[in-house]
Amino acid sequence: EAGVTQFPSHSVIEKGQTVTLRCDPISGHDNLYWYRRVMGKEIKFLLHFVKESKQDESGMPNNRFLAERTGGTYSTLKVQPAELEDSGVYFCASSQDYRAVNQPQHFGDGTRLSIL
Amino acid sequence: AQRVTQPEKLLSVFKGAPVELKCNYSYSGSPELFWYVQYSRQRLQLLLRHISRESIKGFTADLNKGETSFHLKKPFAQEEDSAMYYCALRAAGNKLTFGGGTRVLVKP
Repeated sequence: EAGVTQFPSHSVIEKGQTVTLRCDPISGHDNLYWYRRVMGKEIKFLLHFVKESKQDESGMPNNRFLAERTGGTYSTLKVQPAELEDSGVYFCASSQDYRAVNQPQHFGDGTRLSIL
Repeated sequence: AQRVTQPEKLLSVFKGAPVELKCNYSYSGSPELFWYVQYSRQRLQLLLRHISRESIKGFTADLNKGETSFHLKKPFAQEEDSAMYYCALRAAGNKLTFGGGTRVLVKP
């Protein structure tokens, strides 16, 4: 079984530019989550999709961040325009059928985003 | 709001010595607690969860609701246990709240 895949593994862009991160969850997983860890801080929740719908986006920092999950498969997280404080590691995770309780979340390798 | 605290940023122990990673949480309801581990150059992976009440790789963790703790323990540390360990809480809804992480270094 292929795990959660994230692309790119590392992105370096200048302040003001746009970056799009992609996450492919484990096949068949309804739940998809984005988290991030900025330097010296905890891993923090950004948002949660159930299939193609946003279930919880309470962790999104501001309107420069836009997440989508077209057709309930892969997800993208776009940052536009990027600011210095957006630098960090962005993790994606997925878990099974949302009707099944207590399903663990499986994480991808993360995308390291560096804003110059 | 829920919060997870891991007071130690770094734990350094010798091989064969016991190791205990502390985790305290605050949450008004009934939480679900997890330990995740990230080995060098690997992804974050689930180590164990309190509802399973099992031992994984020699590690155990007991949920103490009175002390709001979920400390991770292993009686005899091995070099391959060197990694970053994260305690996490899942409250209502599915999102995880993580602690700051503890880096464990097991010296030969």
